[in-house]
Amino acid sequence: DQQVKQNSPSLSVQEGRISILNCDYTNSMFDYFLWYKKYPAEGPTFLISISSIKDKNEDGRFTVFLNKSAKHLSLHIVPSQPGDSAVYFCAKLIGNEKLTFGTGTRLTIIP
Amino acid sequence: DTGVSQDPRHKITKRGQNVTFRCDPISEHNRLYWYRQTLGQGPEFLTYFQNEAQLEKSRLLSDRFSAERPKGSFSTLEIQRTEQGDSAMYLCASSVPGVGLGGGRSPNEQFFGPGTRLTVL
Repeated sequence: DQQVKQNSPSLSVQEGRISILNCDYTNSMFDYFLWYKKYPAEGPTFLISISSIKDKNEDGRFTVFLNKSAKHLSLHIVPSQPGDSAVYFCAKLIGNEKLTFGTGTRLTIIP
Repeated sequence: DTGVSQDPRHKITKRGQNVTFRCDPISEHNRLYWYRQTLGQGPEFLTYFQNEAQLEKSRLLSDRFSAERPKGSFSTLEIQRTEQGDSAMYLCASSVPGVGLGGGRSPNEQFFGPGTRLTVL
């Protein structure tokens, strides 16, 4: 039962343009959704989160949108930079603070 | 270095052997988590500790797996009688529980280590 789904395994975006990473979920019970970024040979690093009571959260170049009726969230990166090339995971956080991750999307920023 | 460290970074073993991994969390963090990541998948939760108490174990954690955190600091994850299906990246994370407002709870940021890549031949 995959509760968090990232249907796009990869995405390529021109430098300076907007990157949009998507995530769908099946179970409506959660406290937060988080986005993590992972470079090769490193562990995931926290990027941004959104509470279940919000529909948008912004932090610099990163904005996360939550659409509870569609059970969908997205991460917008604008403008995209070469250093943003990485694998991005969305993750659900509920209660006991165990994270449930999606399968990830590999973002490649083309210079 | 104030981050989460894991040792070893890579381990190659033969099927049937036992392996043990170590995780050293960020010193002031009282929560420690173990995750497993296989190719093409996101990290999957295995277990977590608050101080020395193991509070939750995933059903992914078979009887061959055991985790300890004896003094509430570093943790070890042991896999007995390894199988080829155990080949994966084993990730450790640590955190301090968040305190929320208005009945909610702020997400505690989990800081991940670089992982131990296990290959079972």
